Amino acid sequence: QLHLQESGPGLVKPSETLSLTCTVSGGSVSSSNYYWGWIRQPPGKGLEWIGSIYYSGNTYYNPSLKSRVTISVDTSKNQFSLKLSSVTAADTAVYYCARGLYFEWYVDYWGQGTLVTVSS
Amino acid sequence: SSELTQDPAVSVALGQTVRITCQGDSLRNYYASWYQQKPGQAPVLVIYGKNNRPSGIPDRFSGSSSGNTASLTITGAQAEDEADYYCNSRDSSGNHPFGGGTKLTVL
Repeated sequence: QLHLQESGPGLVKPSETLSLTCTVSGGSVSSSNYYWGWIRQPPGKGLEWIGSIYYSGNTYYNPSLKSRVTISVDTSKNQFSLKLSSVTAADTAVYYCARGLYFEWYVDYWGQGTLVTVSS
Repeated sequence: SSELTQDPAVSVALGQTVRITCQGDSLRNYYASWYQQKPGQAPVLVIYGKNNRPSGIPDRFSGSSSGNTASLTITGAQAEDEADYYCNSRDSSGNHPFGGGTKLTVL
């Protein structure tokens, strides 16, 4: 059974960089069958796709966030990470990491989510 | 366009059938997947592909697609189906936008 666990600071100051890590257990981030993504949900609002990374290392980012987002993979630790720079209060959200099936294009596993608040 | 459009809210009487729709250009080329989210919980996949249910999802949930519109149908809605439902798909740029979500109320 796959398990995804987000970790990182729950409070980030405005203009700083939000950094989160997703630790994967029960599966490998190196598998060619899957892609790995980050999704967020501001309080009381809908889901927003942030971006994803494939086993090849290719990344795809939401155009509205592209200039501030970096997603990377650390195969030695079986983790993938999100960095979002120059954050504002609008970036306050629950952040989820997730696994998607390559060529099927759906998310089959989600992390439990972690709330990140942007405030001074 | 990579946008997916959903009705913000839908209601259904207990035991009746309800259809939740999702519109977007990307749906002409890619299937939608559907996620159920209850308050305080992570989303759960309920439908993927042409019309597939993950293990554990009741068979009252079904999916369909025509042109630029995908639909999630709940046949015989139950009280526990009250939740937010989101569609998701891949677009031609390699991104995976979500619809805005539909709040389902079971009366």
